Amino acid sequence: AQKITQTQPGMFVQEKEAVTLDCTYDTSDQSYGLFWYKQPSSGEMIFLIYQGSYDEQNATEGRYSLNFQKARKSANLVISASQLGDSAMYFCAMIGGYNKLIFGAGTRLAVHP
Amino acid sequence: DGGITQSPKYLFRKEGQNVTLSCEQNLNHDAMYWYRQDPGQGLRLIYYSQIVNDFQKGDIAEGYSVSREKKESFPLTVTSAQKNPTAFYLCASSGTGRTEAFFGQGTRLTVV
Repeated sequence: AQKITQTQPGMFVQEKEAVTLDCTYDTSDQSYGLFWYKQPSSGEMIFLIYQGSYDEQNATEGRYSLNFQKARKSANLVISASQLGDSAMYFCAMIGGYNKLIFGAGTRLAVHP
Repeated sequence: DGGITQSPKYLFRKEGQNVTLSCEQNLNHDAMYWYRQDPGQGLRLIYYSQIVNDFQKGDIAEGYSVSREKKESFPLTVTSAQKNPTAFYLCASSGTGRTEAFFGQGTRLTVV
């Protein structure tokens, strides 16, 4: 069975500093994908970054990078140079066999000026 | 523009009534998903469909039903058997392979 675990219910960071949001996963699939989404208070889901299970290099998208450690089954999101607009809920997600897409419980990030 | 549309944005239901939430996409995506989100919580998978005329239960399917008669449409019915249906419902779709899922704007359902 697939499972995503986010152990940090809330995090805060000072503006312009970097922050790491933790995500661990469990699956018996050999081929899978990992995602991070941002959800502002408006409720919309914003795609941030994707990592495939066979990708050898960590994914990066602008200020976002995904620290993928396959042996440890972790896929942490690193946000560099935090901005006030980064304050939101962040969800880790995984897609595996039969295209089943599941999400973690989320981490609420607060960026302080 | 291509996208995924959920309607209505807000929905009120009396106890004991069935209600259907609409989800339409014009992205030519094969896979579609329904999630439930309670305040401050994560997204829980209700049902998902990989192709037309086929769908699978997610983690919280009890009290819900779906159909997938057309590639573009994946309506969700919240039945009277769902004891606590008040929540935010999100629909998503994704293409072939392990690609990102695109989300609708959500439907906020309230039981009155």
